Amino acid sequence: DSGVTQTPKHLITATGQRVTLRCSPRSGDLSVYWYQQSLDQGLQFLIQYYNGEERAKGNILERFSAQQFPDLHSELNLSSLELGDSALYFCASSERLAANTGELFFGEGSRLTVL
Amino acid sequence: ELKVEQNPLFLSMQEGKNYTIYCNYSTTSDRLYWYRQDPGKSLESLFVLLSNGAVKQEGRLMASLDTKARLSTLHITAAVHDLSATYFCAVDMKAFGNEKLTFGTGTRLTIIP
Repeated sequence: DSGVTQTPKHLITATGQRVTLRCSPRSGDLSVYWYQQSLDQGLQFLIQYYNGEERAKGNILERFSAQQFPDLHSELNLSSLELGDSALYFCASSERLAANTGELFFGEGSRLTVL
Repeated sequence: ELKVEQNPLFLSMQEGKNYTIYCNYSTTSDRLYWYRQDPGKSLESLFVLLSNGAVKQEGRLMASLDTKARLSTLHITAAVHDLSATYFCAVDMKAFGNEKLTFGTGTRLTIIP
């Protein structure tokens, strides 16, 4: 158990709908990262937040957005869903302090199926 | 743009044999990570390599890093069935002001009895 909690574990929805994925980082970790894992694209970095602020952005679609709240939990919002958005969405956390190794700790993932 | 390439993509090997997975990356970095993923499961951290020449070992797995060659290897000794999984390397871009990890394509390892 990495200490990173993601909900829901599984989600099935229809095209055009909107979903929210939730992540609670390890106790004490300030950074949250979102990754998308699909069969054809592998593990793709979406976005990173550090202590409530956006720190880095990857290949995140405009239909997707995220935020990190004062209690450090994060939410990834996916809207106008398409079939191609079906994937496993991982949240990871790290401390990201100067002395930190940069190691990421991953949650169990949220499996999204768009029908 | 940083590219991280692993080879082979698929590896089927017999129990008791040795093999090496290679991870090449395209730009300067001195921080590299290895993760293991079982089907449909989370990513488990295996090794953190933070400097040139770093070598880490855990059980039948050993990882090394050559930052000059931009190459890391994951060596498997006397493979056992429990090591069947997908292995990912990941490179840290923090030196470029970007703190994300960029992952390789993964190597799906199957150990045959």
